[in-house]
Amino acid sequence: EAGVAQSPRYKIIEKRQSVAFWCNPISGHATLYWYQQILGQGPKLLIQFQNNGVVDDSQLPKDRFSAERLKGVDSTLKIQPAKLEDSAVYLCASSLEVTRNEQFFGPGTRLTVL
Amino acid sequence: AQSVTQPDIHITVSEGASLELRCNYSYGATPYLFWYVQSPGQGLQLLLKYFSGDTLVQGIKGFEAEFKRSQSSFNLRKPSVHWSDAAEYFCAVGSGYSTLTFGKGTMLLVSP
Repeated sequence: EAGVAQSPRYKIIEKRQSVAFWCNPISGHATLYWYQQILGQGPKLLIQFQNNGVVDDSQLPKDRFSAERLKGVDSTLKIQPAKLEDSAVYLCASSLEVTRNEQFFGPGTRLTVL
Repeated sequence: AQSVTQPDIHITVSEGASLELRCNYSYGATPYLFWYVQSPGQGLQLLLKYFSGDTLVQGIKGFEAEFKRSQSSFNLRKPSVHWSDAAEYFCAVGSGYSTLTFGKGTMLLVSP
């Protein structure tokens, strides 16, 4: 069974530029999550989708971050414009049953904002 | 609000020695508890989980964890550490439709 796929693996941009990350969850997983992991900290949830609907985006900085999952499968997370403090690893995860919260993670995208 | 505390930022263990990583949680209801491991440059891999039932749970790679409700703890253990276990370990809590909350992680270093 293929795992969660993410691209790109690494991205370096300058502040005020825009960037987009892509995630393809495990086949059949209805729930998809985007996390931000700053160096030295645990992952922090940015947004959770159930199929193509948003379940929780309370910690998403909506003035600069956006995410979509139009067909209920893959998803894109965008930052525009980027700030220095957005430097982090962006992790995508998926789960089969949202009620058990057993999440499977992709390898992440390491973003460096200069 | 739910929270997770991992009191040890770094732990160094000799290869072959036993390991215990501490995790304390705060949660209003019956928690679901997880331990994940993250190797450098990799995503998080699920080691084990507790939903209900037997409070001692077995996971992959020889790890186990014990849920102690009275102490709000879910400590991770391994009887004999291998050099390949060097990584960062995260404890997480959540339940039902609530989101997972992760601790800040414990970095495990294995000395020869």
